[in-house]
Amino acid sequence: SQELEQSPQSLIVQEGKNLTINCTSSKTLYGLYWYKQKYGEGLIFLMMLQKGGEEKSHEKITAKLDEKKQQSSLHITASQPSHAGIYLCGAAPINNNDMRFGAGTRLTVKP
Amino acid sequence: GAVVSQHPSWVICKSGTSVKIECRSLDFQATTMFWYRQFPKQSLMLMATSNEGSKATYEQGVEKDKFLINHASLTLSTLTVTSAHPEDSSFYICSARFQGVGELFFGEGSRLTVL
Repeated sequence: SQELEQSPQSLIVQEGKNLTINCTSSKTLYGLYWYKQKYGEGLIFLMMLQKGGEEKSHEKITAKLDEKKQQSSLHITASQPSHAGIYLCGAAPINNNDMRFGAGTRLTVKP
Repeated sequence: GAVVSQHPSWVICKSGTSVKIECRSLDFQATTMFWYRQFPKQSLMLMATSNEGSKATYEQGVEKDKFLINHASLTLSTLTVTSAHPEDSSFYICSARFQGVGELFFGEGSRLTVL
């Protein structure tokens, strides 16, 4: 089964600092998704990557998928308290059916 | 964009009772829906895949007699936690896939507390 490892498990940064979260798969990814969640609430879709080498940006968040389609990184530039939450990477298997998630990275941004 | 709605958003029940959670796709037909469970400080774990008009497919370790899933229409799937116990207290989230499109849309989640 698809296994996703996220690192770090938790991250505390000072407001204004940049940060990176990584997601590594044991298998080639059909699609890699990044979500943000505040615990006890639903998931907020951030980005989806499907092509090797693909990179997408939205506001201050950039996500990349490596050429082998087994590793993705999420980079936040000039972090703000509003970026705090749990970041989850999710992957759809080759048949693009269900989605499995990494363990999540808990981000705290100190003002 | 597509919206998936869950109801109730939170529920408190007594041990031994059954609780039903609904997942609706509001503006598209979903032939497949997924149910996830999330314990505190943990990630989402897939419980089962709900298929319209057929039996659900459960993940290993998930009791199908305890977590009853019904997907009677293309816009509604229900999860019933039967004979709930305190260890069933969790955050349950559903998702739905628009037919032929890769993206999954998630509901807002339902928090179940069993006393």
